Amino acid sequence: ETGVTQSPTHLIKTRGQQVTLRCSSQSGHNTVSWYQQALGQGPQFIFQYYREEENGRGNFPPRFSGLQFPNYSSELNVNALELDDSALYLCASSLGSGVYQETQYFGPGTRLLVL
Amino acid sequence: KQEVTQIPAALSVPEGENLVLNCSFTDSAIYNLQWFRQDPGKGLTSLLLIQSSQREQTSGRLNASLDKSSGRSTLYIAASQPGDSATYLCAVDPLPRDNYGQNFVFGPGTRLSVLP
Repeated sequence: ETGVTQSPTHLIKTRGQQVTLRCSSQSGHNTVSWYQQALGQGPQFIFQYYREEENGRGNFPPRFSGLQFPNYSSELNVNALELDDSALYLCASSLGSGVYQETQYFGPGTRLLVL
Repeated sequence: KQEVTQIPAALSVPEGENLVLNCSFTDSAIYNLQWFRQDPGKGLTSLLLIQSSQREQTSGRLNASLDKSSGRSTLYIAASQPGDSATYLCAVDPLPRDNYGQNFVFGPGTRLSVLP
């Protein structure tokens, strides 16, 4: 059984650029959540995907968007990058029903730096 | 809106001490509460998950308790070791689950240093 993996591990972009982060779910999991963790803070919920559809969204602007694929892997896209988007982006997968979900398993994260 | 706080923000103890980390949440309507460990620059490792109907969970030297009515959870670490040094985060999975504006709500974490 493979765990949650994320790519790339580190990324440097400049303001205004676009970025795509990738996440492979743990085997058998159908739900993926994305979180943003700024330095020294707890993770903040961005959105969740269940069976390829957005199932919930936190307080993030529309320039944060995502996709979930039939194999339940996922992408997080951020357009028009801002300096404040610099953070550790965490992906978590779980087995859920769309309403309730079991334990979330987190990937190692992608560290994004926006200059 | 569910909010989670953790006290203390940072803690430094000598090796071998028993210690308690505190977590408070504002809304008792939760599905479960989970404690995580995070090493610097790394992802999260789940330590203990407590369902809303449970009072505590134990794993090795770790014991987590939950008092849903008062909105509190504690993580007890027995006989601390330098390898326990990390940031400890608590997170609640709030109810109702059709309130899709929320998923896991995390506290800011407690940064623990165990000195040899």
